[in-house]
Amino acid sequence: DQQVKQNSPSLSVQEGRISILNCDYTNSMFDYFLWYKKYPAEGPTFLISISSIKDKNEDGRFTVFLNKSAKHLSLHIVPSQPGDSAVYFCAAKNRGSTLGRLYFGRGTQLTVWP
Amino acid sequence: EAGVTQSPTHLIKTRGQQATLRCSPISGHTSVYWYQQALGLGLQFLLWYDEGEERNRGNFPPRFSGRQFPNYSSELNVNALELEDSALYLCASSLSGQGYRELFFGEGSRLTVL
Repeated sequence: DQQVKQNSPSLSVQEGRISILNCDYTNSMFDYFLWYKKYPAEGPTFLISISSIKDKNEDGRFTVFLNKSAKHLSLHIVPSQPGDSAVYFCAAKNRGSTLGRLYFGRGTQLTVWP
Repeated sequence: EAGVTQSPTHLIKTRGQQATLRCSPISGHTSVYWYQQALGLGLQFLLWYDEGEERNRGNFPPRFSGRQFPNYSSELNVNALELEDSALYLCASSLSGQGYRELFFGEGSRLTVL
């Protein structure tokens, strides 16, 4: 049962425009959400996170929005750059769950073209 | 500072055989996590070791096992290999009790079962 869903396997955006990656979840016990970025032949690297007590977190060009009532979060990248081309994974932690036990989506391949 | 290192990079086995994958955490990290990423799926939590003890395991059969050594390195053993065990196996490490930003992944070991 996939508790974290990324329904768009791919997204293509022109350089300089906004990239919006979406993620839905089903478990209301999730209290912390993260985005990881993965380049080919490399391990995932942490990008940005948000606690369930917030609805927005911003870090430079990256902003994550959380809509708890809709069980939906999104990652905005503005402006998009070719170096942002990677697979983006949405992940979530269950309240009270073991640190490090994260639930991941299947990922969205972002391609930023010049 | 060296990151999380995994070996081998690639491993090919046949059904019924055993596979052993190894992971060296970042120096100073005592927690090691194993995740499986099968084709087209998100990362699935396998195991968590901390201070030499297994702290938690995901929904995988007992033929997936592992251990953590006194130097905090870890190995993952998969017995009686099945075709569906073909996947990328990712190891991550963190300081014990630290937040999710401290979860660092290795590049992974790709296991192919023929």
